[in-house]
Amino acid sequence: KAGVTQTPRYLIKTRGQQVTLSCSPISGHRSVSWYQQTPGQGLQFLFEYFSETQRNKGNFPGRFSGRQFSNSRSEMNVSTLELGDSALYLCASSSHGASNTEAFFGQGTRLTVV
Amino acid sequence: GENVEQHPSTLSVQEGDSAVIKCTYSDSASNYFPWYKQELGKRPQLIIDIRSNVGEKKDQRIAVTLNKTAKHFSLHITETQPEDSAVYFCAASKNNDMRFGAGTRLTVKP
Repeated sequence: KAGVTQTPRYLIKTRGQQVTLSCSPISGHRSVSWYQQTPGQGLQFLFEYFSETQRNKGNFPGRFSGRQFSNSRSEMNVSTLELGDSALYLCASSSHGASNTEAFFGQGTRLTVV
Repeated sequence: GENVEQHPSTLSVQEGDSAVIKCTYSDSASNYFPWYKQELGKRPQLIIDIRSNVGEKKDQRIAVTLNKTAKHFSLHITETQPEDSAVYFCAASKNNDMRFGAGTRLTVKP
């Protein structure tokens, strides 16, 4: 069974640009969550999607948005990039909507904003 | 929303000693508490989890305890080995809204 796949692995963008990151969950998983990881800040929760609906949202500005498709693949978009958006973005999938299930992480997309 | 605090941020132990990492959470409705290990350059991976109806769980050298009244939970690693060196994250979750602590960098010295 293939794991969680994130593309691209690395990105370099300029301030003010926008970026779209992609996450393909494990086959059969319907929940996809996104996290921002920076040194010293741990894993900051962005949002969670289930069956194409955003169910949970963290405390990030509206520049951060996402969506989920009918095949459970998810995308995250960041508009008007700032230097502080440089981070490793991780997505995680879990098998269904209950909270008592393991989340499987992808390898992440490392975004550098210059 | 849920707030998870994790201590210590760094921990160094001698091989064979025990290591303890502690976390507190704010939302009493959280009912699932996983622990993840992240090795350098790799993705976080689940090492153990506990649900709110259980006070303690053990898996070989790893154990987790949960005190719902005090809203804190801890990870215990016994007989540490150099390969236990990594960053460990605790998390608290309700309805698939999973919030993580800031992480603990554990170093096991041979």
